[in-house]
Amino acid sequence: GQQLNQSPQSMFIQEGEDVSMNCTSSSIFNTWLWYKQDPGEGPVLLIALYKAGELTSNGRLTAQFGITRKDSFLNISASIPSDVGIYFCAGRIIQGAQKLVFGQGTRLTINP
Amino acid sequence: ETGVTQSPTHLIKTRGQQVTLRCSSQSGHNTVSWYQQALGQGPQFIFQYYREEENGRGNFPPRFSGLQFPNYSSELNVNALELDDSALYLCASSPTGREQYFGPGTRLTVT
Repeated sequence: GQQLNQSPQSMFIQEGEDVSMNCTSSSIFNTWLWYKQDPGEGPVLLIALYKAGELTSNGRLTAQFGITRKDSFLNISASIPSDVGIYFCAGRIIQGAQKLVFGQGTRLTINP
Repeated sequence: ETGVTQSPTHLIKTRGQQVTLRCSSQSGHNTVSWYQQALGQGPQFIFQYYREEENGRGNFPPRFSGLQFPNYSSELNVNALELDDSALYLCASSPTGREQYFGPGTRLTVT
């Protein structure tokens, strides 16, 4: 089945640093989504990407849909303490149900 | 605030029992999906409903079943609970089928 390889698995950074994480797959996806999940909560949608090559920003967050449709990255600039959490990429396929396939997550820890 | 609510928040069941989890999504969100998230993992797709019909299922056995109702609520039923069913169960709704908005989840513990 489809699998997403998300890296890095964890990051430990200083407040104010920029962050970069990415997802790759051997499968083609029609949509890439980036979510953030806090402990005990459901994932919250950060950015949605719908076309190959698309670059989209949401405040300090920027994400891109890879040209091959098999990868995506998320950048966070000037990190702040509330950025702490687990970030998931998700690819959407259209084969019957429009299910999301998730990466394993990137755990972000920020030292003040 | 996604407008997706789930109940209960937490649940403890015994192996072999049956459980029903509930989800309420926003008006107009005709698509609802259910995911299972084990500790330390990304969510795994269980199934999806569109206008009260199941239109796709992930790699889960038939003892996982669901219903979607006209009032944008839905249920996930799990029969013959096993210890490995312990997880966070997430409901996600979508107005278009493209982006999905998640509820807070139900934490199920099977002992």
